[in-house]
Amino acid sequence: QVQLVQSGAEVKRPGASVNISCKTSGYTFTTYYLHWVRQVPGQGPEWMGEISPSVGTTSYAQKFQGRVTMTRDTSTTTVYMALSSLRAEDTAVYYCVRILTGSGDTGQFDHWGQGTLVTVSS
Amino acid sequence: DIQMTQSPSSLSASVGDRVTITCRASQSVSRYLNWYQQKAGNAPKLLIFGASSLQGGVPSRFSGSGSGTDFTLTISSLQREDFATYYCQQSYSTFTFGGGTKVEIK
Repeated sequence: QVQLVQSGAEVKRPGASVNISCKTSGYTFTTYYLHWVRQVPGQGPEWMGEISPSVGTTSYAQKFQGRVTMTRDTSTTTVYMALSSLRAEDTAVYYCVRILTGSGDTGQFDHWGQGTLVTVSS
Repeated sequence: DIQMTQSPSSLSASVGDRVTITCRASQSVSRYLNWYQQKAGNAPKLLIFGASSLQGGVPSRFSGSGSGTDFTLTISSLQREDFATYYCQQSYSTFTFGGGTKVEIK
C-alpha cells in the first residue's frame, strides 16, 4: 500500500533551518508529484510547494520563495523539504502529500504523510 | 490567490442528523474542488474530489455538489465517527484550503 513516512519532530531556534524527509513506498516514485503542506495549530492547511520526483523540478508558493527548498533522492524514493530563517510563526505540522493529476482527477491530495511538528522557539 | 471561505466554522449535531457544510471560492474554480476530513492528531483524509466524486472507501453518506464558486458537502446521516473537522480545497489555481468546519456532538 502507498505510504509516506516522515521524519520526526523538530525544535528549532529562530533563524535556524529545518530539513524534513518523506520516505515513499508502495507505488512508482517517479509517477506522481509530491507536495508539501503545512498546518498551524487551529488553522486550515497551507500549500507550500511541489516537486517532480522524476526530474526534480520545483514550484513554490510565493509566500515561501527564497526560504524553502524541495529536493528528492530517486535511489531512496525520498523527498526533502528545507525551510530556512525560521520564525515563531513557522511553528506548524508539515505534511508531504501525493497528488493525483490523471484523467478524471482534479489535483486532489490522496495520500498524506503522518506529519512532522516543527516548533520554533527561543 | 483564490480565497476559500467555509461556513459555518463550527456546528453541533446529533447522530443521525443531516449535515451540510458550504464552501465559497473568491472566483470560479470550475469543479476543481476537493473535500477532506481531519480528526484530531491525524492528517487530513480525502473524501471527495472534483466537487462530487467519492474517494474510494469513503461511505456513501458523504456527498458533494456545486461548481464555479459555490459548493456543499453533505453528510446524510451523521455517524459517531464523522465528528471531525472538514476542509474544502481548490486545485484550480495552485492550491488553497478553507478555514475548516468543526462538527461537534450536540
